[in-house]
Amino acid sequence: EAQVTQNPRYLITVTGKKLTVTCSQNMNHEYMSWYRQDPGLGLRQIYYSMNVEVTDKGDVPEGYKVSRKEKRNFPLILESPSPNQTSLYFCASSWVAGGSGTDTQYFGPGTRLTVL
Amino acid sequence: SQQGEEDPQALSIQEGENATMNCSYKTSINNLQWYRQNSGRGLVHLILIRSNEREKHSGRLRVTLDTSKKSSSLLITASRAADTASYFCATRRSNDYKLSFGAGTTVTVRA
Repeated sequence: EAQVTQNPRYLITVTGKKLTVTCSQNMNHEYMSWYRQDPGLGLRQIYYSMNVEVTDKGDVPEGYKVSRKEKRNFPLILESPSPNQTSLYFCASSWVAGGSGTDTQYFGPGTRLTVL
Repeated sequence: SQQGEEDPQALSIQEGENATMNCSYKTSINNLQWYRQNSGRGLVHLILIRSNEREKHSGRLRVTLDTSKKSSSLLITASRAADTASYFCATRRSNDYKLSFGAGTTVTVRA
């Protein structure tokens, strides 16, 4: 089954304790992206990756890191989480249509993170 | 930055009625997409309309795009309780790799 998986689904942590949220897709998509969703703000892009070893900042990258060492995986790293990073996080992937952009995105189920 | 803005923020309708929501955006786009999100879950792609298209249908969904007004509308006909969800428009700008999402319209379909 074609899918995007995220782990963990729920996480409660404390300020400053490094954490990683994993994301994996089995569709051989080149493009992967991380979003955070906050009430009234919709989805805001954190980082995205066009292919292995190619990553770029989205609209709200501060406090986050990513890596793309393999095509299927795109982990999100919070080196020193703070309470303002409490949010619902989504990973998504898609083909790079025509080599110049992204079209339909497939979303993971979400990770609800609480930073105390 | 948010490119798309949905209107209204919330909509409550009776089962069987039609639901219409709008999306406005700021810059020229390559395509515009609509997604649905059931409470707290991942987004599901509904329909994509390219900048050179004016109308598209998929089942009970009808999407229009007016590039001169930088706006799009999503019509759900004969709504069902299962259509209760949040709906988001997302735009991909020309020569850009990112999708920008609006804040969404929350639709409640009453039985």
